Order: sequence, then C-alpha cells, then structure tokens
Amino acid sequence: EIVMTQSPATLSVSPGERATLSCRASQSVRSNLAWYQQRPGQAPRLLIYGASTRATGIPARFSGSGSETEFTLTISGLQSEDFAVYYCQQYNKWPPLTFGGGTKVEIK
Amino acid sequence: EVQLLESGGGLVQPGGSLRLSCAASGFTFVSYVMNWVRQAPGKGLEWVSSVSGSGGSTYHADSVKGRFTISRDNSKNTLYLQMSSLRVEDTAVYYCVGASGGWYSAFDFWGQGTVVTVSS
Repeated sequence: EIVMTQSPATLSVSPGERATLSCRASQSVRSNLAWYQQRPGQAPRLLIYGASTRATGIPARFSGSGSETEFTLTISGLQSEDFAVYYCQQYNKWPPLTFGGGTKVEIK
Repeated sequence: EVQLLESGGGLVQPGGSLRLSCAASGFTFVSYVMNWVRQAPGKGLEWVSSVSGSGGSTYHADSVKGRFTISRDNSKNTLYLQMSSLRVEDTAVYYCVGASGGWYSAFDFWGQGTVVTVSS
C-alpha cells in the first residue's frame, strides 16, 4: 500500500498571502497525483490531476508541482473561499487508492 | 450538468445491512469508472470500492472486503453499494464519485454524500 503523508496538518495564512502544501508518497506514484479541496459541510472537489493540471473551472491561483514522491500544491493570493481542507491522492498503484491525511488551511 | 445523488443512508444496528444508491445524470454513465469514498466524522477520506464501466470488474478496500459489494445498473444510470455485517467503524458520510479517465485517473466529480450511522 502506498502511504500518502501531507504536511503541515494545519497552515495559518493571511488572506492575500501564498500557501504551500506538501504531499509525500511512500514510493513513486509518477505524476498520478490529484489534489482535492473540501470546504466545511461540502463534498470534496477536484482541483489538480496529473500532479500539475488544473481541473475544469479551477482558478489559476491554484498550481501543482512535483513528481515521483514529492508534490506541492501552491495557492497564490488566498481568498476567503480557499480556507478549507486539502487532500492529495495517488492513483498510480492500487488497490488500494490512498489519500493523504489532509492539510487544513485556516485564516491567520 | 453532472449530478450524482446518493440515497439509502440511515441509522442501522451493528451487524445490520444497508444498500446505498447513487443516481447519475448529465454524463455518459457507462463510460465512467464509479467509486465509493467515505469520510468518518472529523476524519479524512477513505476509498471504499470501485467498479468498471461495464460492471464486470470491481475492487474493494480490505476494511470492507467480504462485507460490501459495489455494483451498477447502466440501464438505470445507478450505482449501488450493498453493505452487510455493518460495524460501528463503518459510520461515515459515503460519497459517490465518478472518474472519467478509467482506472488510473483522478476523481472528477462527487455527490453530496449520504450519512450512514452504525449504532445500537
């Protein structure tokens, strides 16, 4: 099983600033990595797939990078609606499909 | 517009059974791998099960293997999750999720979820 580890667990950021979230895989997942956003009380939604491709309708302030075992989600110019929990997920080798434990981005 | 509407959740005693349904619309259902993902209260996301477009191939997490069965009826554009021998730790919001790119692709869209509570 590929274990996905996200850091930090909580990130405090002021509106307008940049947030950098990390995700590490226990073994290579190539670029088969997705990021999801989950706002309170809502279902997750796809932000990034293929490690760096934004999903339909996702603003350009969201960007993904990395490959193999190290990945980053960057949110530039945080807006109020961006304060949420973010999950990474690998879909390179499964079952099982695995998610990271999540990073909560909160208002500083 | 893509829509996934889950139903069938509720309160059930340990050892009981439930069948979740997910009605899909707005896309070519048979072309999508469909999945169930759950989220226990205050916890992260856990993949549960996946089924191929034809329904002929299925996968389940070890935590539910032998107890849950995923299936689909493409004539009704509906996904199912038959859950039996339910445990307290199965308590979660269950999301119906679609993946357009086949087995090795991200989860494009999610339903709003249905709540399953296993308690005596």
